[in-house]
Amino acid sequence: TQLLEQSPQFLSIQEGENLTVYCNSSSVFSSLQWYRQEPGEGPVLLVTVVTGGEVKKLKRLTFQFGDARKDSSLHITAAQPGDTGLYLCAGAPGGFKTIFGAGTRLFVKA
Amino acid sequence: ETGVTQTPRHLVMGMTNKKSLKCEQHLGHNAMYWYKQSAKKPLELMFVYNFKEQTENNSVPSRFSPECPNSSHLFLHLHTLQPEDSALYLCASSQVTTGGSYEQYFGPGTRLTVT
Repeated sequence: TQLLEQSPQFLSIQEGENLTVYCNSSSVFSSLQWYRQEPGEGPVLLVTVVTGGEVKKLKRLTFQFGDARKDSSLHITAAQPGDTGLYLCAGAPGGFKTIFGAGTRLFVKA
Repeated sequence: ETGVTQTPRHLVMGMTNKKSLKCEQHLGHNAMYWYKQSAKKPLELMFVYNFKEQTENNSVPSRFSPECPNSSHLFLHLHTLQPEDSALYLCASSQVTTGGSYEQYFGPGTRLTVT
């Protein structure tokens, strides 16, 4: 069974702090996506990483794809309350079947 | 705005009822998906349609019946559901290309409660 394991499962921090969440697998992925989901809504795509070792930045969010394309990380600098949500990583190990990690639930306190 | 709409947003139904969930995508994508999201569990892929052909049925019970009349519309017909089927049902679309990354664009979901 191909799994994407995310850690931590839950994170509660103060506004202005930095944080990193992780997405790990024993399988190689051609690409991985990161999504953010807010309560009562569907996940929204943040970024796709494709190349091993790739780093992408989206404002205060930095995404990295591992050299072996088995893992990825999301780093948030100076977190804001608006960053609160469920962060999901996802990948398609083959065909159209995309698998999702269980997510990291982030709460940023003002 | 994701370009994927779902109706209804909320649904309460008894175990003997029949209801349908509707999804429409305005993104010109060629693949559509149904997912189930339960509390504290990862998103579970239920069905995939590519160019209106069902390419994935992830061992979903027959009380869930999908329908894809065209590449823009997707339905999920529900009948004789169980309380454990209560969940958020999410529709998504993507543009499938050779070697593509299958980025998913989700609707807001239908919150289903089975009583």
